[in-house]
Amino acid sequence: AQKITQTQPGMFVQEKEAVTLDCTYDTSDPSYGLFWYKQPSSGEMIFLIYQGSYDQQNATEGRYSLNFQKARKSANLVISASQLGDSAMYFCAMSETNTGNQFYFGTGTSLTVIP
Amino acid sequence: KAGVTQTPRYLIKTRGQQVTLSCSPISGHRSVSWYQQTPGQGLQFLFEYFSETQRNKGNFPGRFSGRQFSNSRSEMNVSTLELGDSALYLCASYLGLAGFNEQFFGPGTRLTVL
Repeated sequence: AQKITQTQPGMFVQEKEAVTLDCTYDTSDPSYGLFWYKQPSSGEMIFLIYQGSYDQQNATEGRYSLNFQKARKSANLVISASQLGDSAMYFCAMSETNTGNQFYFGTGTSLTVIP
Repeated sequence: KAGVTQTPRYLIKTRGQQVTLSCSPISGHRSVSWYQQTPGQGLQFLFEYFSETQRNKGNFPGRFSGRQFSNSRSEMNVSTLELGDSALYLCASYLGLAGFNEQFFGPGTRLTVL
């Protein structure tokens, strides 16, 4: 079974609008971490936001927030007020306690911001 | 603070050759992980090093190996290259503390095998 599932291969959003990128995960480990990374066409992975499985509140970092629904095993990324520079691939990733810092990545979502 | 550097950025090799990729982590970071990214398989974990010791290894053949030096710099080696080894190889640097670590990625090395 896939550890991380991203069901949206491509998404479009109008500049200044908000967009939600979906991510579901599968683990039996009670302690895990969820991460979102952005990968522009240059290739470098840029860290956006982190959510721990025991965190009570949803994580936020500037225009990025993580909608964490533990019972549904989902960790959706919300980008508010989209900018043209947000156009990129977005990857959801998970680490589990029993595999240390190894990341399991989803297949990614390609986001295009339309002016 | 300097970011993660990877050298070379681009590499072209032929089948059967071997290749060595280098990663210099952020100063103070003691852990390095390597990932392979291909269009077909996505991002896959290769190995993790902490203080010169391999802590974890992904499901790759023995042709893929790595090491970490006392200054935390890491190298990965691929011997007897195959066409399927063409990929973007990403290195991630982090503190290596207990718990989950924010990982900082380098720009990657794009390897093409002809």
